[in-house]
Amino acid sequence: DQQVKQNSPSLSVQEGRISILNCDYTNSMFDYFLWYKKYPAEGPTFLISISSIKDKNEDGRFTVFLNKSAKHLSLHIVPSQPGDSAVYFCAAINQAGTALIFGKGTTLSVSS
Amino acid sequence: EAQVTQNPRYLITVTGKKLTVTCSQNMNHEYMSWYRQDPGLGLRQIYYSMNVEVTDKGDVPEGYKVSRKEKRNFPLILESPSPNQTSLYFCASRGQGAFYEQYFGPGTRLTVT
Repeated sequence: DQQVKQNSPSLSVQEGRISILNCDYTNSMFDYFLWYKKYPAEGPTFLISISSIKDKNEDGRFTVFLNKSAKHLSLHIVPSQPGDSAVYFCAAINQAGTALIFGKGTTLSVSS
Repeated sequence: EAQVTQNPRYLITVTGKKLTVTCSQNMNHEYMSWYRQDPGLGLRQIYYSMNVEVTDKGDVPEGYKVSRKEKRNFPLILESPSPNQTSLYFCASRGQGAFYEQYFGPGTRLTVT
């Protein structure tokens, strides 16, 4: 039973536009969330995180929004660049703090 | 350079032939973990280790063993591999504190025929 869900397997965006990647979770006890980016033949790399005490965290072109009441978070990339083309994973830290619970990932394609 | 390394990167083997995938990190991290990635399933945790000689099962531990004799190394052992263990494996590490992000190795693609 998936506790972290990324319902869009893929997203295509034009260069310079905004990319919005969505993530839903079912466990209300999760209190820390992370986004990872993964290129082919490489391991996931950390992108940005957010604590449940916040509703927004920004780092350069990347912003993560958290809506606790809806159990929903989103990653905004503005402006999108071709180098952003990758698989993006949403993850939550489990209650014991011993594991990341990952979504299935969304493949972002940014065309120039 | 801070990194997590895995070897081998690619491995094709046959059912029942014991194998070990090595993982090493140079960041002096206490916590290390193994995940597997399968199509349509995201990454799932196999085993983790909070420190030397301290290991515990993750969500999908069946068919795997681990050991943590040194802080920097966390090998994944498949005593008798089966085709359902064909997958992409990632080792990860992080410093103390659950809220630190995990650093992942480059992955090991294993095929069991």
